[in-house]
Amino acid sequence: GESVGLHLPTLSVQEGDNSIINCAYSNSASDYFIWYKQESGKGPQFIIDIRSNMDKRQGQRVTVLLNKTVKHLSLQIAATQPGDSAVYFCAAASGNTPLVFGKGTRLSVIA
Amino acid sequence: GAVVSQHPSRVICKSGTSVKIECRSLDFQATTMFWYRQFPKKSLMLMATSNEGSKATYEQGVEKDKFLINHASLTLSTLTVTSAHPEDSSFYICSASGQGYGYTFGSGTRLTVV
Repeated sequence: GESVGLHLPTLSVQEGDNSIINCAYSNSASDYFIWYKQESGKGPQFIIDIRSNMDKRQGQRVTVLLNKTVKHLSLQIAATQPGDSAVYFCAAASGNTPLVFGKGTRLSVIA
Repeated sequence: GAVVSQHPSRVICKSGTSVKIECRSLDFQATTMFWYRQFPKKSLMLMATSNEGSKATYEQGVEKDKFLINHASLTLSTLTVTSAHPEDSSFYICSASGQGYGYTFGSGTRLTVV
């Protein structure tokens, strides 16, 4: 089965700096990966996704990197803002299987 | 884009009563619905997967008689927590998938059983 973990439970960054949140997955058959942001009391909010045929994908201020060799995923947030403070989850799926979520990293932005 | 509406957002119920949570896909047909549970400061844990018109598949350790899932139409799935107890208090989140749309999450329901 799949298990997804996050390397750090908390991350504090200065406003304006770049943030990097890491994630490892165990199932080499996983072919779809998503990063979600969750604010307190709310459901997960989609940030960016990537399929296994890619190793990098960019969005607005966010970049996801996928290293299939070591089964590692990272989310980079450029010019981190106070509104980025939240818990970030990575999730992985294989085919149409349910998403398996990592434990989450709480990002705190210091103004 | 794909939108999933989940209601209610918050509910408080007395111990022993049942609570129904609705999840609707507003602009696409959700062939598959996933129900998750989230404890405070924890990650989302999959409870069950349901395909429209079929019985739900429950994860190990999830009581199917306690958490009744109905997915009778392509736009609506419900989760009923029967005979709720304080330990059922949690954040419940649905996710819908279908018609080329990936995993779209509802906004979640905070259930408090008193």
